[in-house]
Amino acid sequence: EVQLVQSGGGLVQPGGSLRLSCAASGFSFSTHWMSWVRQAPGKGLEWVANIKEDGSRQYYVHSVEGRFIISRDNAENSLYLQLNSLRAEDTAVYYCARDSLGYDFWGQGTQVTVSP
Amino acid sequence: EIVLTQSPGTLSLSPGERATLSCRASQSVRNNYFAWYQQKPGQAPRLLIYDASSRVTGIPDRFSGGGSGTDFTLTISRLEPEDFAVYYCQQYGNSKTFGQGTKVEFK
Repeated sequence: EVQLVQSGGGLVQPGGSLRLSCAASGFSFSTHWMSWVRQAPGKGLEWVANIKEDGSRQYYVHSVEGRFIISRDNAENSLYLQLNSLRAEDTAVYYCARDSLGYDFWGQGTQVTVSP
Repeated sequence: EIVLTQSPGTLSLSPGERATLSCRASQSVRNNYFAWYQQKPGQAPRLLIYDASSRVTGIPDRFSGGGSGTDFTLTISRLEPEDFAVYYCQQYGNSKTFGQGTKVEFK
Protein backbone atom coordinates (compact mmCIF):
# COMPACT_ATOMS: atom_id res chain seq x y z
CA GLU A 1 0.00 0.00 0.00
CA VAL A 2 1.34 3.39 -1.00
CA GLN A 3 1.65 5.74 1.96
CA LEU A 4 2.95 9.28 2.35
CA VAL A 5 3.19 10.29 6.00
CA GLN A 6 3.96 13.90 6.75
CA SER A 7 5.50 15.55 9.79
CA GLY A 8 6.72 18.98 10.76
CA GLY A 9 4.76 22.20 10.44
CA GLY A 10 3.36 24.38 13.20
CA LEU A 11 3.25 28.00 14.23
CA VAL A 12 6.18 30.27 13.32
CA GLN A 13 6.78 34.02 13.39
CA PRO A 14 7.26 35.99 10.17
CA GLY A 15 10.83 35.62 8.96
CA GLY A 16 11.19 32.26 10.67
CA SER A 17 11.92 28.81 9.29
CA LEU A 18 10.37 25.34 9.33
CA ARG A 19 11.16 21.97 7.82
CA LEU A 20 8.48 19.65 6.53
CA SER A 21 9.07 15.93 6.02
CA CYS A 22 7.26 13.28 4.03
CA ALA A 23 8.04 9.59 4.57
CA ALA A 24 7.16 7.37 1.64
CA SER A 25 6.45 3.65 1.64
CA GLY A 26 4.82 1.01 -0.54
CA PHE A 27 6.41 2.06 -3.81
CA SER A 28 9.79 2.63 -5.43
CA PHE A 29 10.42 6.16 -4.15
CA SER A 30 13.63 6.70 -6.12
CA THR A 31 11.85 6.28 -9.47
CA HIS A 32 9.26 9.03 -8.97
CA TRP A 33 9.26 12.79 -9.14
CA MET A 34 7.75 14.25 -5.97
CA SER A 35 5.94 17.53 -5.29
CA TRP A 36 4.74 19.82 -2.55
CA VAL A 37 1.32 21.44 -2.95
CA ARG A 38 -0.27 23.92 -0.55
CA GLN A 39 -3.74 25.20 0.22
CA ALA A 40 -4.29 28.48 2.00
CA PRO A 41 -7.32 28.70 4.33
CA GLY A 42 -10.51 28.59 2.29
CA LYS A 43 -8.58 28.73 -0.97
CA GLY A 44 -7.64 26.44 -3.84
CA LEU A 45 -4.61 24.28 -4.49
CA GLU A 46 -1.22 25.72 -5.42
CA TRP A 47 1.77 23.74 -6.65
CA VAL A 48 4.83 24.82 -4.66
CA ALA A 49 7.81 22.77 -5.83
CA ASN A 50 8.85 19.48 -7.33
CA ILE A 51 12.03 17.43 -7.56
CA LYS A 52 13.35 14.90 -10.02
CA GLU A 53 13.77 11.22 -9.13
CA ASP A 54 17.49 11.52 -8.34
CA GLY A 55 17.25 14.99 -6.81
CA SER A 56 19.27 16.59 -9.61
CA ARG A 57 16.58 19.10 -10.64
CA GLN A 58 14.16 21.17 -8.61
CA TYR A 59 11.47 23.59 -9.70
CA TYR A 60 9.56 26.19 -7.68
CA VAL A 61 6.56 28.46 -8.01
CA HIS A 62 7.82 32.02 -8.41
CA SER A 63 6.48 33.19 -5.04
CA VAL A 64 8.74 30.82 -3.06
CA GLU A 65 11.91 30.83 -5.20
CA GLY A 66 14.94 31.69 -3.09
CA ARG A 67 13.06 31.03 0.17
CA PHE A 68 12.00 27.37 0.02
CA ILE A 69 14.21 24.37 -0.71
CA ILE A 70 12.89 20.98 -1.80
CA SER A 71 15.14 17.97 -1.25
CA ARG A 72 14.97 14.22 -0.93
CA ASP A 73 16.86 11.30 0.56
CA ASN A 74 16.25 8.23 -1.54
CA ALA A 75 18.08 6.00 0.93
CA GLU A 76 15.55 7.04 3.57
CA ASN A 77 12.56 7.23 1.18
CA SER A 78 11.94 10.76 2.38
CA LEU A 79 11.02 14.11 0.88
CA TYR A 80 11.65 17.44 2.55
CA LEU A 81 10.65 21.07 2.21
CA GLN A 82 12.73 23.71 4.01
CA LEU A 83 10.70 26.88 4.43
CA ASN A 84 12.76 30.03 5.14
CA SER A 85 11.91 33.72 5.41
CA LEU A 86 8.30 32.81 6.02
CA ARG A 87 5.54 35.33 5.36
CA ALA A 88 1.93 35.52 6.46
CA GLU A 89 0.86 34.53 2.95
CA ASP A 90 2.71 31.19 3.32
CA THR A 91 0.09 30.12 5.88
CA ALA A 92 -1.48 26.98 4.44
CA VAL A 93 -1.88 23.25 4.66
CA TYR A 94 1.09 21.72 2.85
CA TYR A 95 0.74 18.36 1.10
CA CYS A 96 3.40 16.12 -0.35
CA ALA A 97 2.32 14.21 -3.43
CA ARG A 98 3.67 11.59 -5.78
CA ASP A 99 4.22 13.23 -9.13
CA SER A 100 3.03 10.79 -11.76
CA LEU A 101 0.41 11.49 -14.42
CA GLY A 102 -1.18 13.99 -12.11
CA TYR A 103 -0.73 13.51 -8.38
CA ASP A 104 -1.90 9.99 -7.71
CA PHE A 105 -1.03 9.75 -4.00
CA TRP A 106 -1.06 12.47 -1.36
CA GLY A 107 0.13 12.89 2.20
CA GLN A 108 -2.34 13.76 4.93
CA GLY A 109 -1.30 17.42 4.95
CA THR A 110 0.41 19.51 7.61
CA GLN A 111 -0.54 22.98 8.82
CA VAL A 112 1.93 25.84 8.61
CA THR A 113 0.82 29.05 10.31
CA VAL A 114 2.92 32.22 10.04
CA SER A 115 1.85 34.75 12.66
CA PRO A 116 3.49 37.12 15.16
CA GLU B 1 2.35 30.24 -16.76
CA ILE B 2 -0.81 28.53 -17.95
CA VAL B 3 -3.84 29.94 -16.15
CA LEU B 4 -6.81 27.59 -15.69
CA THR B 5 -10.30 29.06 -15.29
CA GLN B 6 -13.04 26.76 -13.98
CA SER B 7 -16.74 27.32 -14.45
CA PRO B 8 -19.13 27.55 -12.84
CA GLY B 9 -17.82 28.48 -9.41
CA THR B 10 -20.71 26.65 -7.77
CA LEU B 11 -23.04 24.03 -9.19
CA SER B 12 -26.27 23.40 -7.28
CA LEU B 13 -27.75 20.02 -8.17
CA SER B 14 -29.73 17.12 -6.73
CA PRO B 15 -28.68 13.47 -6.44
CA GLY B 16 -29.30 11.65 -9.70
CA GLU B 17 -28.69 14.73 -11.83
CA ARG B 18 -25.89 15.17 -14.34
CA ALA B 19 -23.01 17.53 -13.51
CA THR B 20 -20.83 19.13 -16.17
CA LEU B 21 -17.77 21.05 -14.99
CA SER B 22 -15.58 23.09 -17.33
CA CYS B 23 -11.99 24.23 -17.29
CA ARG B 24 -10.41 26.54 -19.84
CA ALA B 25 -6.66 26.97 -20.21
CA SER B 26 -5.00 30.24 -21.24
CA GLN B 27 -2.92 28.31 -23.78
CA SER B 28 -2.92 24.84 -25.24
CA VAL B 29 -2.00 22.07 -22.80
CA ARG B 30 0.87 19.99 -24.12
CA ASN B 31 -0.08 16.37 -24.85
CA ASN B 32 -3.40 16.99 -23.05
CA TYR B 33 -1.58 16.53 -19.75
CA PHE B 34 -4.67 17.40 -17.76
CA ALA B 35 -6.17 16.05 -14.55
CA TRP B 36 -9.24 16.37 -12.34
CA TYR B 37 -9.36 16.03 -8.55
CA GLN B 38 -12.09 15.75 -5.95
CA GLN B 39 -11.62 17.26 -2.50
CA LYS B 40 -13.87 16.90 0.52
CA PRO B 41 -13.55 19.07 3.66
CA GLY B 42 -10.56 18.16 5.80
CA GLN B 43 -9.22 15.67 3.26
CA ALA B 44 -6.42 15.60 0.73
CA PRO B 45 -7.49 15.81 -2.90
CA ARG B 46 -8.14 12.58 -4.78
CA LEU B 47 -7.11 12.08 -8.39
CA LEU B 48 -10.06 11.13 -10.59
CA ILE B 49 -8.92 11.65 -14.20
CA TYR B 50 -5.48 11.99 -15.81
CA ASP B 51 -4.37 12.64 -19.39
CA ALA B 52 -7.68 14.45 -19.86
CA SER B 53 -9.84 11.33 -20.20
CA SER B 54 -8.23 8.37 -18.41
CA ARG B 55 -10.04 7.31 -15.27
CA VAL B 56 -7.97 6.25 -12.26
CA THR B 57 -8.43 2.63 -11.19
CA GLY B 58 -11.22 2.40 -8.67
CA ILE B 59 -12.98 5.61 -9.69
CA PRO B 60 -16.63 4.92 -10.60
CA ASP B 61 -17.48 5.06 -14.29
CA ARG B 62 -20.03 7.81 -13.69
CA PHE B 63 -16.98 10.12 -13.75
CA SER B 64 -15.66 10.92 -17.21
CA GLY B 65 -13.23 13.46 -18.58
CA GLY B 66 -13.04 14.99 -22.02
CA GLY B 67 -11.66 17.80 -24.11
CA SER B 68 -8.33 18.76 -25.59
CA GLY B 69 -6.16 21.78 -26.29
CA THR B 70 -7.58 24.54 -24.12
CA ASP B 71 -11.06 23.28 -23.19
CA PHE B 72 -11.69 20.37 -20.84
CA THR B 73 -14.71 18.96 -19.06
CA LEU B 74 -15.49 16.64 -16.18
CA THR B 75 -18.88 14.97 -16.31
CA ILE B 76 -20.58 13.13 -13.46
CA SER B 77 -23.40 11.25 -15.16
CA ARG B 78 -25.63 10.74 -12.10
CA LEU B 79 -24.69 12.41 -8.87
CA GLU B 80 -24.42 10.24 -5.80
CA PRO B 81 -24.55 11.80 -2.28
CA GLU B 82 -20.79 11.23 -1.85
CA ASP B 83 -20.01 13.26 -5.01
CA PHE B 84 -20.88 16.60 -3.43
CA ALA B 85 -17.46 18.16 -3.05
CA VAL B 86 -15.04 20.63 -4.61
CA TYR B 87 -13.42 19.69 -7.92
CA TYR B 88 -10.14 21.04 -9.23
CA CYS B 89 -8.61 20.83 -12.67
CA GLN B 90 -4.84 20.77 -13.18
CA GLN B 91 -2.47 20.92 -16.12
CA TYR B 92 0.96 19.26 -15.94
CA GLY B 93 2.13 19.85 -19.49
CA ASN B 94 3.98 23.09 -18.74
CA SER B 95 5.01 23.28 -15.11
CA LYS B 96 1.91 22.66 -12.99
CA THR B 97 -1.11 24.84 -12.31
CA PHE B 98 -4.55 24.30 -10.81
CA GLY B 99 -7.89 25.89 -11.47
CA GLN B 100 -9.66 27.73 -8.68
CA GLY B 101 -12.20 24.97 -8.09
CA THR B 102 -15.90 24.24 -8.67
CA LYS B 103 -18.07 23.41 -5.70
CA VAL B 104 -20.85 20.89 -6.36
CA GLU B 105 -23.46 21.46 -3.67
CA PHE B 106 -26.89 20.10 -2.81
CA LYS B 107 -29.71 22.03 -4.39
